[in-house]
Amino acid sequence: AQSVTQLDSQVPVFEEAPVELRCNYSSSVSVYLFWYVQYPNQGLQLLLKYLSGSTLVKGINGFEAEFNKSQTSFHLRKPSVHISDTAEYFCAVPLYNFNKFYFGSGTKLNVKP
Amino acid sequence: DAGVIQSPRHEVTEMGQEVTLRCKPISGHNSLFWYRQTMMRGLELLIYFNNNVPIDDSGMPEDRFSAKMPNASFSTLKIQPSEPRDSAVYFCASSLAGLQGNTIYFGEGSWLTVV
Repeated sequence: AQSVTQLDSQVPVFEEAPVELRCNYSSSVSVYLFWYVQYPNQGLQLLLKYLSGSTLVKGINGFEAEFNKSQTSFHLRKPSVHISDTAEYFCAVPLYNFNKFYFGSGTKLNVKP
Repeated sequence: DAGVIQSPRHEVTEMGQEVTLRCKPISGHNSLFWYRQTMMRGLELLIYFNNNVPIDDSGMPEDRFSAKMPNASFSTLKIQPSEPRDSAVYFCASSLAGLQGNTIYFGEGSWLTVV
């Protein structure tokens, strides 16, 4: 079965520092991977997605993620975070021809001034 | 585009009362999902519909929970009777299923507190 694992439940970081949020996947079939962000008191929204092609995917708000097949990873990165990036980030994989999504346990990014 | 619309945004109810959460998916989407989010269990898929038909309800906690989708533009999640452990944020989401690269879009959630 396809699934994703987010290794860090919380990541504290200072403003303007770089950050990496880790996601590993398990799949025996073609992989499509998503990152969603949830700001406080809001629903989840799409940050970026990998379907095929270039392994480096750029998303909104300066985030990017790299698909690494050999390491079965899809880590999310940002070179310089802002206070407004404080949110919870979810890695996700679609199942059954995109009829269902499996979400990881989430990583809370706390950006400190 | 109005996005996925949920109501009510906040509900406080007493244990034993019936709770009905409502959702209007994005027009044209053919899949609808109900998720529950809690601190302890994270984001859980309760049920999803495809073309108004329930496909997988294995995540529905127990018989107290029921969901319907009478047409393509409306769905309800009902809890009867409600219990304090049902307190959570309930999200409705929709997507155009079967299309490679499609995205699932979430509503802003219904915050339920059962006292």
